Formats: sequence, C-alpha cells, structure tokens
Amino acid sequence: GAVVSQHPSRVICKSGTSVKIECRSLDFQATTMFWYRQFPKKSLMLMATSNEGSKATYEQGVEKDKFLINHASLTLSTLTVTSAHPEDSSFYICSARPPGDYGYTFGSGTRLTVV
Amino acid sequence: AQSVTQLDSQVPVFEEAPVELRCNYSSSVSVYLFWYVQYPNQGLQLLLKYLSGSTLVKGINGFEAEFNKSQTSFHLRKPSVHISDTAEYFCAVSEDYKLSFGAGTTVTVRA
Repeated sequence: GAVVSQHPSRVICKSGTSVKIECRSLDFQATTMFWYRQFPKKSLMLMATSNEGSKATYEQGVEKDKFLINHASLTLSTLTVTSAHPEDSSFYICSARPPGDYGYTFGSGTRLTVV
Repeated sequence: AQSVTQLDSQVPVFEEAPVELRCNYSSSVSVYLFWYVQYPNQGLQLLLKYLSGSTLVKGINGFEAEFNKSQTSFHLRKPSVHISDTAEYFCAVSEDYKLSFGAGTTVTVRA
C-alpha cells in the first residue's frame, strides 16, 4: 500500500533555531500534501496544504513566515519551523492522497520539543 | 463547511467485549467519511472509509462502520476487542480534498 515517510521522528532544538521536517511519498507521486499539528490529547489541526511547484495554502491563523513549506518535487514536502519557541513544541504530522485513492496516508509524525 | 462530532471522549471496555464509537457530521454537500486509529507517538492508520454504495463498511482489524445519511452518523463498531485495540480513534470528513477531524475517542481495553 501507499507509504508516507516522515523524518525525523523526534527532534529537540533550542529557542531561536530552525527545524526542518521532511515528508516523502515512497511509492506514489503526490502533487498535494497536508501538514497537521496535534497538541497533547487533542485532535489534528490542518496547518497548510502543500502544492508541488507552487506556494502552499495556509489555514486561517497559521503564520506562513513561521511555518515555511516547500514542495519541490512530487515525492517530497518539507516543513521548516523558523525561529522556534517553546510554544511551537508539538506533534507534527503530514499526509498525502495517492492518485485514484480517496483515502489519505499519514506519516508517522514528528515530535518537536523546543527548549 | 463540515464539522465532525465524536460523542464519546473516552470509552473503557473489557477485553472481548463489543465497542461502539459514535461519530456525527454536518455538511452541506456529499462527503467522504473515514475512521483512523492512532497509537501513542505515531501517525494515523486508516481503519475504513465510506465513499458511496453499501452503507455498511468493513475495515481492518475486525472494525466496521455504518453510514446513516438521515442521522448524519458514521459509528464505528467492533464485536470483540483486544488489548491491542487500546488507542485513539478519529472520525474524519473529507470535503474539497481536505480532512476535518473529530476530537477523538480514547479507547482503553482492560483485561
């Protein structure tokens, strides 16, 4: 079946630094990928839709300059958390929808801790 | 715009007992419906989905769900749970290729 790989699974960084999270579709091409944020004991909140070769579409209230998204190829989207602060600590998950499939495949998530 | 309501935040259940997780949605158009499971510190795994056709949908790990259009519900059931079914379960609705999730239901299976 369709597989989405996400790296790293865990990252700890210092306040003020930037962190990049990668999301790869391993066995299919994804023109669109989705980035979610999940707080402890909470549901998933869609942050942005990543579009291959064009700008990402951000949901209302999500700072595009804080969360930079790049979708440079049909199999890779990256989320960069810039100038990270402790409040950015969260679980970030990406997903993609394989062509011809109405289901969405999710990565394994990245636990970001900003100290 | 769609919204998803999971009526139970926590469901404790004994091993080998049945379980039902309730999900209601609101949408002005036809939607696709999904149930996902999340184990601690992991991503989401698709249990089953409803796109069209038969209202009874069978998924992986013995789960099934029934789509009820008149009641705008998509409840998830399993006739006999295992300890390994302990996890977080999310109901989701797709509209315009975006997924909206319910708040989640924590299922805890006890021996």
